[in-house]
Amino acid sequence: DTGVSQDPRHKITKRGQNVTFRCDPISEHNRLYWYRQTLGQGPEFLTYFQNEAQLEKSRLLSDRFSAERPKGSFSTLEIQRTEQGDSAMYLCASSSTGTAGRVYEQYFGPGTRLTVT
Amino acid sequence: RKEVEQDPGPFNVPEGATVAFNCTYSNSASQSFFWYRQDCRKEPKLLMSVYSSGNEDGRFTAQLNRASQYISLLIRDSKLSDSATYLCVVNRGFKTIFGAGTRLFVKA
Repeated sequence: DTGVSQDPRHKITKRGQNVTFRCDPISEHNRLYWYRQTLGQGPEFLTYFQNEAQLEKSRLLSDRFSAERPKGSFSTLEIQRTEQGDSAMYLCASSSTGTAGRVYEQYFGPGTRLTVT
Repeated sequence: RKEVEQDPGPFNVPEGATVAFNCTYSNSASQSFFWYRQDCRKEPKLLMSVYSSGNEDGRFTAQLNRASQYISLLIRDSKLSDSATYLCVVNRGFKTIFGAGTRLFVKA
């Protein structure tokens, strides 16, 4: 399968616990994005990596959230001391970089659905 | 005010109808524009990019008006399979901003 994969697909945790999600982008893509989506809303941008460098972080990404992409391949998103408001779908997307002026599609993974009880 | 705003709908149209969706964005520094489609409980997928000159892909036409900071999507001859949420998307620097989406239901 050459698409974007995410693991786990579902996570139920108790408030106050830490959780970590993984995203494996399409192998030749150097750009990786994390989003959060709640019911009835579009995906909200969280952070962006180009290779291993985290170049943009949303103010939504509080100090309880951290993301890494250590070797420029897979990425992890960790949420510490989870709160009920963290319950959402966490989406990962990847895209390639090419010639200037070309628009590159973001390919999304199936998401990780987090429920904080 | 949200940076990207869309009419949430829902739009309920019969098969064969023409339907138009509008989107406005507030930041004039926005650089590139897209429409994505999201089916229920699925991930978003790119429908088409949007250019100032307008672009067409089969039954779908997208238009960008930079002066008015307005993006549109026109769907002609609607099919049952067009039922989905349509997301207006704007890129600004390294950030990608999605609208909340417009829901479309096409009925037989």
